[in-house]
Amino acid sequence: RKEVEQDPGPFNVPEGATVAFNCTYSNSASQSFFWYRQDCRKEPKLLMSVYSSGNEDGRFTAQLNRASQYISLLIRDSKLSDSATYLCVVILSGSARQLTFGSGTQLTVLP
Amino acid sequence: NAGVTQTPKFQVLKTGQSMTLQCAQDMNHEYMSWYRQDPGMGLRLIHYSVGAGITDQGEVPNGYNVSRSTTEDFPLRLLSAAPSQTSVYFCASSSVRSYNEQFFGPGTRLTVL
Repeated sequence: RKEVEQDPGPFNVPEGATVAFNCTYSNSASQSFFWYRQDCRKEPKLLMSVYSSGNEDGRFTAQLNRASQYISLLIRDSKLSDSATYLCVVILSGSARQLTFGSGTQLTVLP
Repeated sequence: NAGVTQTPKFQVLKTGQSMTLQCAQDMNHEYMSWYRQDPGMGLRLIHYSVGAGITDQGEVPNGYNVSRSTTEDFPLRLLSAAPSQTSVYFCASSSVRSYNEQFFGPGTRLTVL
């Protein structure tokens, strides 16, 4: 079983739609959680950290459910520029800050 | 600041050849790491370093060596290339004060024939 699992998609949504991605992690000792974004054939870049209380950055909302061991990312009012692969990332407690990546969820926003 | 740079961008090797992928950062980051990315697998950690002179193995270290003689540079050596090492390789760095944000280089696309 993969340590971090994501629905690979692809998700094809029209501009202006709201879309949500989920990610589950298997190790309850995971301590830090993030969403990274990766454009086609480019390097990953940090989108946002995920906090237990939930957090929002503009059109993006991230939530963490430790009891169920899942993380979510909600994108409201999708833009064409949101088309990318979204990577769920966790850091295990005591792992010397090693990031464990999910395989990513591909999003295409259609005009 | 150039950030994290990687060379070469593309490389084709024959089975059994050796080569070094270069990675440099100019942000004075203590932490550097190498990942490989394969379709459907996500990024997997190969080796990492928490400072000059200190390296450790990640999830998939076999067939790769690293060294960290300076803060800026973290080369990855393929000892004897195999087709299973065909992948996209990313180098990343971060500050120990904000390790959550790792800055990635543009990647090296390696094909082993």
